[in-house]
Amino acid sequence: GAGVSQSPRYKVAKRGQDVALRCDPISGHVSLFWYQQALGQGPEFLTYFQNEAQLDKSGLPSDRFFAERPEGSVSTLKIQRTQQEDSAVYLCASSPPREETQYFGPGTRLLVL
Amino acid sequence: QKEVEQDPGPLSVPEGAIVSLNCTYSNSAFQYFMWYRQYSRKGPELLMYTYSSGNKEDGRFTAQVDKSSKYISLFIRDSQPSDSATYLCAMIRGGFKTIFGAGTRLFVKA
Repeated sequence: GAGVSQSPRYKVAKRGQDVALRCDPISGHVSLFWYQQALGQGPEFLTYFQNEAQLDKSGLPSDRFFAERPEGSVSTLKIQRTQQEDSAVYLCASSPPREETQYFGPGTRLLVL
Repeated sequence: QKEVEQDPGPLSVPEGAIVSLNCTYSNSAFQYFMWYRQYSRKGPELLMYTYSSGNKEDGRFTAQVDKSSKYISLFIRDSQPSDSATYLCAMIRGGFKTIFGAGTRLFVKA
């Protein structure tokens, strides 16, 4: 079946611009995660949804970062007033019910100039 | 000090070698342990998932967990050039929040 998909795959933004990154999880997966992966590092947790409820947003670096999943399927990560330090790969992952394992999308590579 | 420590490598081995990858952790509350493989410009892909101390084998891969030493390992037998990737260890305390190591880059030379 189809895996987790993310769009766009690449995004170049000027400093100060707002960006929106989309994640389509695997059908039936109730849990959805966003991670930030800097070059040469492992993924860092940003936020977690169970269906439409955002249960943990403790990893969001600042109030410029906002995530939503209004209907419990597709999720959007929005970054306002982008800064150069926001440049990273943003990964989305989903999990089926009652499983801890996560299935990752290919990521969105964000470059802020 | 990071909760999960992983040597970033790179690790270079000849084809057919046995590869040993390791992580240490500081929080004894971690309950679930995973190994992911990540190819360049791709998302991580789950390789192994274990809950308890001991060994788990899947084909050429063996995952080992030693909770008393807070140490986990991944062994790859008969390594192939297609195994060249970054290997990430990951752990969950309980619930859902996953903590990843920095990843070890592996190169298998033909």
